[in-house]
Amino acid sequence: DIVMTQSPSSLAVSAGETVTINCKSSQSLFGSVRQKNYLAWYQQKPGQSPKLLIYLASTRESGVPDRFIGSGSGTDFTLTISSVQAEDLANYYCQQYYDTPLTFGSGTKLEIK
Amino acid sequence: EVQLVESGGGLVQPGRSMKLSCAASGFTFSNYGMAWVRQAPTKGLEWVATISYDGSSTYYRDSVKGRFTISRDNAKSTLYLQMNSLRSEDTATYYCTTLLGAAFAYWGQGTLVTVSS
Repeated sequence: DIVMTQSPSSLAVSAGETVTINCKSSQSLFGSVRQKNYLAWYQQKPGQSPKLLIYLASTRESGVPDRFIGSGSGTDFTLTISSVQAEDLANYYCQQYYDTPLTFGSGTKLEIK
Repeated sequence: EVQLVESGGGLVQPGRSMKLSCAASGFTFSNYGMAWVRQAPTKGLEWVATISYDGSSTYYRDSVKGRFTISRDNAKSTLYLQMNSLRSEDTATYYCTTLLGAAFAYWGQGTLVTVSS
């Protein structure tokens, strides 16, 4: 199984700051046929279902604000949230879909000071 | 607007069975692969099973293989999860999701399954 390791597990920032969440996979998620990284990011607000933010490591889902930026390749990936807003309070998860079993990171809890 | 509405959850005794349903609307259900993802109380997300757009291919995590069956009825735009021999560790909120590649594009509100005597 591909193990997804997220860091940090939690962080607290003030509104307007920039946040970086890291995700490392135990093997490369780069597919040579399509030349894509099979990595997604999700946001889960308190009491809500998860929501897809980013897929193929850096493609923003429709309607997702452009302050959410996905980057990285191979085994190391980052979700950057610029100018954090109060509404960004949530848990964030990375997920690999390079191979089954599809696996998630353990999550990063973002708190707003 | 895409809507996924799960039903069928509740309290069930260990070793018993339960069947979850997910009614889909707002998109052409028969064109998309679908999946179930679960989340134990206060825990992270865990993929359970995936089915192809036409139902010809299915995939399961090891811990549910042989006990759970994912299926679909494209005429009814409905996804199912038959769960047999339930264990306490199957206690979770079960989400129905659509697949974008193998990322989970849209999610239902979830249905809580509690396995307890």
